[in-house]
Amino acid sequence: DTGVSQNPRHKITKRGQNVTFRCDPISEHNRLYWYRQTLGQGPEFLTYFQNEAQLEKSRLLSDRFSAERPKGSFSTLEIQRTEQGDSAMYLCASSLQGVRVSPLHFGNGTRLTVT
Amino acid sequence: DQQVKQNSPSLSVQEGRISILNCDYTNSMFDYFLWYKKYPAEGPTFLISISSIKDKNEDGRFTVFLNKSAKHLSLHIVPSQPGDSAVYFCAATEWGGSQGNLIFGKGTKLSVKP
Repeated sequence: DTGVSQNPRHKITKRGQNVTFRCDPISEHNRLYWYRQTLGQGPEFLTYFQNEAQLEKSRLLSDRFSAERPKGSFSTLEIQRTEQGDSAMYLCASSLQGVRVSPLHFGNGTRLTVT
Repeated sequence: DQQVKQNSPSLSVQEGRISILNCDYTNSMFDYFLWYKKYPAEGPTFLISISSIKDKNEDGRFTVFLNKSAKHLSLHIVPSQPGDSAVYFCAATEWGGSQGNLIFGKGTKLSVKP
């Protein structure tokens, strides 16, 4: 169990630029989740995948955000035309089954700063 | 509209004493609750969970109590150790709801002093 890996750890970008983050889940986990955490708040759900299928998206996931998990392994989260309000920690998690059965294993996150 | 509330932003406890972290919720459909611990620069790690069919769940030094009528749960850490110093998040999910969406509180920062 090598844990959930997220890259990059930090990203600084200018407003209007596009950014992409990568998440490598624990290898045997077929469920993958993206959450966002802003300062002073708890993590907020963005989306989740079971294998390559994106099964649920939060209303927080505006049309500037897109997530993919092309072969049911790693996932990418892209933010287009970044805004200052996108500055946050983006957390990826994985699990064997749903949240009520298997605990989510979180990565260390990607901290995005939009200037 | 916070559905999961952790009203104490911080808590300081002496090593060896009991730490009690509190959490309130407003959504009566929540029926599964979890606690996560987060160290700086790391992601949250799962600590303990409880289903609404129980009122207590214990795992070593950690015990979670659930009071459904009061919509309140608490995490007890006994004895507290300096390594327990972290931010603790309470989270909940509802029956028949999302398979991926945990609703988190804002967290309570616990400091355990030697």
